[in-house]
Amino acid sequence: KAGVTQTPRYLIKTRGQQVTLSCSPISGHRSVSWYQQTPGQGLQFLFEYFSETQRNKGNFPGRFSGRQFSNSRSEMNVSTLELGDSALYLCASSLSRTGKYNEQFFGPGTRLTVL
Amino acid sequence: GQNIDQPTEMTATEGAIVQINCTYQTSGFNGLFWYQQHAGEAPTFLSYNVLDGLEEKGRFSSFLSRSKGYSYLLLKELQMKDSASYLCAYSGNTPLVFGKGTRLSVIA
Repeated sequence: KAGVTQTPRYLIKTRGQQVTLSCSPISGHRSVSWYQQTPGQGLQFLFEYFSETQRNKGNFPGRFSGRQFSNSRSEMNVSTLELGDSALYLCASSLSRTGKYNEQFFGPGTRLTVL
Repeated sequence: GQNIDQPTEMTATEGAIVQINCTYQTSGFNGLFWYQQHAGEAPTFLSYNVLDGLEEKGRFSSFLSRSKGYSYLLLKELQMKDSASYLCAYSGNTPLVFGKGTRLSVIA
């Protein structure tokens, strides 16, 4: 079974631009979560989507948004990029079955550099 | 701010045993995860504890005390390939809240 895939793997943008990152979950997984990882803050939760609906949201500004499609693929968008948005963006998928813990499987990440 | 805490760095010798501690505070708790992350790679799942006690899986074991908000990851017979960051995370009202990770260096 293929793992979580993320595209692109590396991205360089300049301040003020916007960026869209893509994530394809493991087949059969309906929950997709996004995290931002920086050396200073570690892994921070951005949002979670389940069945095309945002189920949870972290403490990030409205410049960060996302969506999920009917095939469970997800995209996240960051508008008006700032230097501090430079980070590794990780996507994780899980089965999200009721009553069971949901081990999250991570993708390789997208390394975003904002100049 | 962060309400989950773990040491920033640790060093241990090949073949030895190392214990990485994690403390947390949360009102909603569904379980405690440990992930391993090698430099430049994605985190990979190591263990999950939902009940108090020790869970053993090969060279790795994880312990949880819910009343104390405390967990540890125990690595035995350390190998050079165990050099990595170890991330503690609890599952609560959001999917996972992570600590900043403990960077473990295994030396010969």
